Amino acid sequence: DIVMTQSPLSLPVTPGEPASISCRSSQSLLFSNGYTYLDWYLQKPGQSPQLLIYLGSNRASGVPDRFSGTGSGTDFTLKISRVEAEDVGVYYCMQALHNPLTFGGGTEVEIK
Amino acid sequence: QLQLQESGPGLVKPSETLSLTCTVSGGSISSRGDYWGWVRQSPGKGLEWIGSLYYGGDIHYNPSLQSRASISVGTSNNQLSLRLTSVTAADTAVYYCFIRGLIIQPYWGQGTRVTVSS
Repeated sequence: DIVMTQSPLSLPVTPGEPASISCRSSQSLLFSNGYTYLDWYLQKPGQSPQLLIYLGSNRASGVPDRFSGTGSGTDFTLKISRVEAEDVGVYYCMQALHNPLTFGGGTEVEIK
Repeated sequence: QLQLQESGPGLVKPSETLSLTCTVSGGSISSRGDYWGWVRQSPGKGLEWIGSLYYGGDIHYNPSLQSRASISVGTSNNQLSLRLTSVTAADTAVYYCFIRGLIIQPYWGQGTRVTVSS
């Protein structure tokens, strides 16, 4: 199974400041078609996970452009250019290249 | 834009079979994805993949479910189904369905909460 490791576990942030979350996979997520099968999700308190980024760097419909996904192979980063109060919650990375699909353990973002 | 909505009994007794349905609107389930599947999240825990059904009929399940899971798709009614047999308290979770394509945006439902209790 592909192991997804996120860091940090917890991230206190200041509104208006940038923030970043790291995700590492135990195997490359690059497929032979040139696409990288890595998603980022945000689960706000009491809500279901919402897709932020797919294929490593593509923003999902309706996602603000302050969110961006970068990285390749086994190392990925989710960046928030200017954190807003509504961005609090648990962020998960997920690999969709191999079965079983696996998730990172989550990074809890909270406002300082 | 695709929308997925899970439905099913909120309460299931131990040892019984859990049956969930995911209804897709805004497009045909068979033309808007290469594979479909289910994920669950137990209370206070992370996300766990249950299984995926591929367009060509191939199906893969999480080995941890020990062959209790069964996923099927109904193209005529635009629905995806999940059956989980011999449930225990450990199967208490919020269950999410999803649609994925090789190069298109994946879609998830909002989830349905299931409690296993007598």
